[in-house]
Amino acid sequence: KAGVTQTPRYLIKTRGQQVTLSCSPISGHRSVSWYQQTPGQGLQFLFEYFSETQRNKGNFPGRFSGRQFSNSRSEMNVSTLELGDSALYLCASSFDSNNEQFFGPGTRLTVL
Amino acid sequence: GEDVEQSLFLSVREGDSSVINCTYTDSSSTYLYWYKQEPGAGLQLLTYIFSNMDMKQDQRLTVLLNKKDKHLSLRIADTQTGDSAIYFCAESGNNAGNMLTFGGGTRLMVKP
Repeated sequence: KAGVTQTPRYLIKTRGQQVTLSCSPISGHRSVSWYQQTPGQGLQFLFEYFSETQRNKGNFPGRFSGRQFSNSRSEMNVSTLELGDSALYLCASSFDSNNEQFFGPGTRLTVL
Repeated sequence: GEDVEQSLFLSVREGDSSVINCTYTDSSSTYLYWYKQEPGAGLQLLTYIFSNMDMKQDQRLTVLLNKKDKHLSLRIADTQTGDSAIYFCAESGNNAGNMLTFGGGTRLMVKP
């Protein structure tokens, strides 16, 4: 069974631009969660989608948004990029609530 | 809010046992996880324990949970150089769906 895949793996953007990251969960998994990892703040929860609905949301500004498609693939979007948005963005999939979560390799975003 | 704390660094010799500790504050945590992250990679789920368990063993890994003290530990027996990585503990509250709160990570260095 293929693991969680994230595209692209690396991305360089400039301040003010917007970016869209993609995550394909493990086949059969319905929940997709997104996390931001930075050296200063560590791993922080962004949001979780389940059956195309946002089920949980972390404490991030409205510039961070996401969605999930009927095939469970998910995208997250960050608008008006700031230097502080430079981070590793990790996506995790699981079958349902409180099940094992499997992480993808992440997308490393650099904002210049 | 919920908080998860870990020591920053642990150094051991190859063949010794490693013990990585974690404390958490959320008394409603139902699942506690240990993840491993190697340089440039995503998070690999090592093991997890339900909050109604005291111990779980999986090959070289032993997880101990003291729910009264909200203390979780991961013991790695016969530590190898390939175990060098950052280890994260994480907890999911009872009503948090798949939202995980992570500790800051413990960097394990294994000396040959």
